[in-house]
Amino acid sequence: NAGVTQTPKFQVLKTGQSMTLQCAQDMNHEYMSWYRQDPGMGLRLIHYSVGAGITDQGEVPNGYNVSRSTTEDFPLRLLSAAPSQTSVYFCASSSGTSGGSTDTQYFGPGTRLTVL
Amino acid sequence: SQQGEEDPQALSIQEGENATMNCSYKTSINNLQWYRQNSGRGLVHLILIRSNEREKHSGRLRVTLDTSKKSSSLLITASRAADTASYFCATDAGPTNFGNEKLTFGTGTRLTIIP
Repeated sequence: NAGVTQTPKFQVLKTGQSMTLQCAQDMNHEYMSWYRQDPGMGLRLIHYSVGAGITDQGEVPNGYNVSRSTTEDFPLRLLSAAPSQTSVYFCASSSGTSGGSTDTQYFGPGTRLTVL
Repeated sequence: SQQGEEDPQALSIQEGENATMNCSYKTSINNLQWYRQNSGRGLVHLILIRSNEREKHSGRLRVTLDTSKKSSSLLITASRAADTASYFCATDAGPTNFGNEKLTFGTGTRLTIIP
């Protein structure tokens, strides 16, 4: 199994541009999530999904959209990039039906995004 | 907002020594997890301890949980250079709109093992 994969690994955008960060998992996990990691802030939840067609906002959803058309894929869209969105983005999937502390989270390698 | 806070923020020790890092949290929990993050990589799950457990071992890792003090500690014994990484605790952040839980992470402890 490849686990959780993310593309691209690095991306530089100009302010106002849009892009999609790709995330895929081959473990048939229902729960998937997106986090951003900033220095001194730890990981913050952006959006999550409990299954195909079902998504919800996390702690810092503004400026991001998600959709979940299949169990495997959970892309994150930046609508109009801003410098405040410069961060490292991680996609994760959960071994159980929840995204909470009962289940193991499997993380992708991350996408390092810089917005100029 | 974040539930867990790790202490210290950074720790440097000699190879072979033991490393201890702590996590404090604010509200009652079901379970607590520890994750490791190597530089430039995603997080990797290390261990889960349930709220009714006081101590758990996995190889060179020992995790303790004190629910009365709302704190947990991660001990790495006989440290190796490969243990150099950031370590995060994670707890439940409360129910989602769908009734399941989401996870919240602390800010991490940066551990450096000096060969």
